[in-house]
Formats: sequence, C-alpha cells, structure tokens
Amino acid sequence: DQQVKQNSPSLSVQEGRISILNCDYTNSMFDYFLWYKKYPAEGPTFLISISSIKDKNEDGRFTVFLNKSAKHLSLHIVPSQPGDSAVYFCAARDSGAGSYQLTFGKGTKLSVIP
Amino acid sequence: ETGVTQTPRHLVMGMTNKKSLKCEQHLGHNAMYWYKQSAKKPLELMFVYSLEERVENNSVPSRFSPECPNSSHLFLHLHTLQPEDSALYLCASSQGDRGGEKLFFGSGTQLSVL
Repeated sequence: DQQVKQNSPSLSVQEGRISILNCDYTNSMFDYFLWYKKYPAEGPTFLISISSIKDKNEDGRFTVFLNKSAKHLSLHIVPSQPGDSAVYFCAARDSGAGSYQLTFGKGTKLSVIP
Repeated sequence: ETGVTQTPRHLVMGMTNKKSLKCEQHLGHNAMYWYKQSAKKPLELMFVYSLEERVENNSVPSRFSPECPNSSHLFLHLHTLQPEDSALYLCASSQGDRGGEKLFFGSGTQLSVL
C-alpha cells in the first residue's frame, strides 16, 4: 500500500503561469517532507523541504504548502519556466522511527510549454 | 554535478553473469544508499551504510550484495539476476545522523537483465 501518493502522473503548464504539484500521504507519523526534481538521464536533485511544524516554506520561485489535517502537500512553482520541465517526486519520512527510510511517491512529470 | 558518481551508466547482463555497480561520493558524507527505481513504481530503498556499517537492508534478495569499503565508496555486486531486476539503480549519500533529509543522488545505472 502506497504511503505517499502523487495522483497526477503528468501536468502541462504554460510558461509564466503557476504549476501546482500535489502529494497525499497516509502515514500520520510522517513529520518531514521533501520534493526532488529529476531530469532524464540524471539522478533526482533536492528541491525544497518542509517540517511538520510549519505549513509553508518558500525558496525563490518554489513554495511548498503542508496541510497536516488533510495529509496533503503541494509544490507551487511561480512563474513556471521551460527549464522546470522534469519529473517531480514527493518524499516523506518518520523521524521518530530511527530509520533512514524516505518514502517516495511515483512522481509527476511537469511539462512547461513555451 | 552532484558530487556522487556512478559507473557504469548502462549495463546489460545475462542471468548467469556477475557484475558490480560502483558509486563514489566526493562530498564528505557519512551515509550512502542504494535505491531501485522500476518502471511505474516509486523509488525503493535497498541498503543504507552509515560510517561503513550496513544499517538497513530492506528485504532485498541475496542476489544483490552491497559492499562499503570506506565512507566514499559503495558497490552493489550482482549475480544470477532475474529479468524483473531490470531497473534504474541509484546511489545516494547524505550527511548526519539518520540523514534521510537531503539525499544527493548519482545519475544512476540503467540495468537490463536478459
């Protein structure tokens, strides 16, 4: 059973508009969330993270929102650029579990159209 | 360039072959990981080494054998693999205790088992 779900396999957005990528989780013990971006033929690279004690974290054009009651987080990219076209992975961890485990979603492929 | 280098980038092997995947990190991190990404599935953690000791083994079949001779190098020895083992194998590193927060990934080895 998937604990981290990215229900949209793909998303297309016009350049300059907002991209919103969504992620849902089922494990209420998750307390730290991350987004990774992956270009073809490259490994994932860390983008932005958020702790469960916050509901928003912003880094330049990227903002992550966390709604703990809904077990939902989203990544907003504003404005979207063609170079943002990539696969975006949501990941979560349970810090109290004493594990190195990060649980990943299947990813959402974002295409930004010039 | 993430500071994590994987070789080879591509590997085709028969079910009776023995091969090894190599990973080297130049970041001074103290934890290294092997992840597997199969088509249409999330990244799955296989093994974690912290300070050269294996600290996690996620029920991986014995035909996969990891080795961590020092904190900068990680190997994955492969023998008598099955076609369903065909996947992208990603190495990652991180710094810190239970350092799953921010992983630095290599570009991966795309493995095909015939």
